[in-house]
Amino acid sequence: NAGVTQTPKFRVLKTGQSMTLLCAQDMNHEYMYWYRQDPGMGLRLIHYSVGEGTTAKGEVPDGYNVSRLKKQNFLLGLESAAPSQTSVYFCASSYSLGRGNQPQHFGDGTRLSIL
Amino acid sequence: AQSVTQLGSHVSVSEGALVLLRCNYSSSVPPYLFWYVQYPNQGLQLLLKYTSAATLVKGINGFEAEFKKSETSFHLTKPSAHMSDAAEYFCAVSDRGRSGNTGKLIFGQGTTLQVKP
Repeated sequence: NAGVTQTPKFRVLKTGQSMTLLCAQDMNHEYMYWYRQDPGMGLRLIHYSVGEGTTAKGEVPDGYNVSRLKKQNFLLGLESAAPSQTSVYFCASSYSLGRGNQPQHFGDGTRLSIL
Repeated sequence: AQSVTQLGSHVSVSEGALVLLRCNYSSSVPPYLFWYVQYPNQGLQLLLKYTSAATLVKGINGFEAEFKKSETSFHLTKPSAHMSDAAEYFCAVSDRGRSGNTGKLIFGQGTTLQVKP
């Protein structure tokens, strides 16, 4: 059982380049999330999705776009990378049952450096 | 709106000593609360969750947390620290806003636990 899988695990970009981070989950979860983790700032929500074909902005959405064309996949895009986007990115997923009492399941992260 | 405050960004204990990691929350509705652990270079793993059943919640690896409504707290404890407990710990509250259930969590800033031999 793979759970939540993030691709790639590491990446170095130059300023202005674009890239897409892929998140795949095999638990049939309805909800999916993208976070960034920076030292001393905890996890901050970038975008999230409550179902296939839907996305919504989180706390820090600027500079990022997302798509959820299939239920099991959630893509995070950086159209023009900036050094401020150097971070560790985590994807998570959860069930929609229970009105918010379901835990989120996390991937192992993507470490992104932008030079 | 919901929020979480973790008191102390770093906590250091000796092996075998009590572990106490503090978390206070603010919520306009009955909260759902979670503790997660993050080991180096890994994602977050669920330790335990409170969802309005028993106020004392037992989790994995010998950890437990007590929900105290009067103190708006959900502190994490372990009677005897082990070297393998060294990690970063996050408290989170479910964001149960007016827009309905989105499953969103609001995380605290995290507490790094150091265990000394």
